[in-house]
Amino acid sequence: EDQVTQSPEALRLQEGESSSLNCSYTVSGLRGLFWYRQDPGKGPEFLFTLYSAGEEKEKERLKATLTKKESFLHITAPKPEDSATYLCAVQAAGGGNKLTFGTGTQLKVEL
Amino acid sequence: EPEVTQTPSHQVTQMGQEVILRCVPISNHLYFYWYRQILGQKVEFLVSFYNNEISEKSEIFDDQFSVERPDGSNFTLKIRSTKLEDSAMYFCASRGQGGSSSDTQYFGPGTRLTVL
Repeated sequence: EDQVTQSPEALRLQEGESSSLNCSYTVSGLRGLFWYRQDPGKGPEFLFTLYSAGEEKEKERLKATLTKKESFLHITAPKPEDSATYLCAVQAAGGGNKLTFGTGTQLKVEL
Repeated sequence: EPEVTQTPSHQVTQMGQEVILRCVPISNHLYFYWYRQILGQKVEFLVSFYNNEISEKSEIFDDQFSVERPDGSNFTLKIRSTKLEDSAMYFCASRGQGGSSSDTQYFGPGTRLTVL
């Protein structure tokens, strides 16, 4: 069974204080690893897809990296508007297209 | 920018009643999904739909659930006889076909279902 574990559950940062969120996964062959952002009461908003170990993607203050066992979402000099829950999900190769999600990291960035 | 839309945003129903949740996927997408998120818990896969049939479903998606694409734009989730434990946020998602970028599932804003 595919599993995704995210840590920490919650993270409080000061504006400008960089940090990383972790996503550990076990999957029977990885087709893709996805990062989403979710604001309260809203649907997941797509950020990145990573396919193979060593791959990196960047968007503004966010950078996602992938190894064979985990992915990191690095947040550089965060701003209050980066406050949200960040979700990691995996899609297994060879099976259907379903996403298996972790429980997320709730990030709060304070002034 | 194209987006997935869902109606209603909030549905309140009595236990045992039927509900239909509606979704309009992104127009050129061919794969459709329903997920749910119970308050405070992770997003869970319910069902995937392609070429007018279910391609995969989870254990949650029992005989009380059904999906349909009644026309060229809508995708619906029906719960025949709602239970208290069906209370959750229901998300519709869609993805395109062809190329690595088509793996991405785009989610709608969700329908909050409250069963009393």
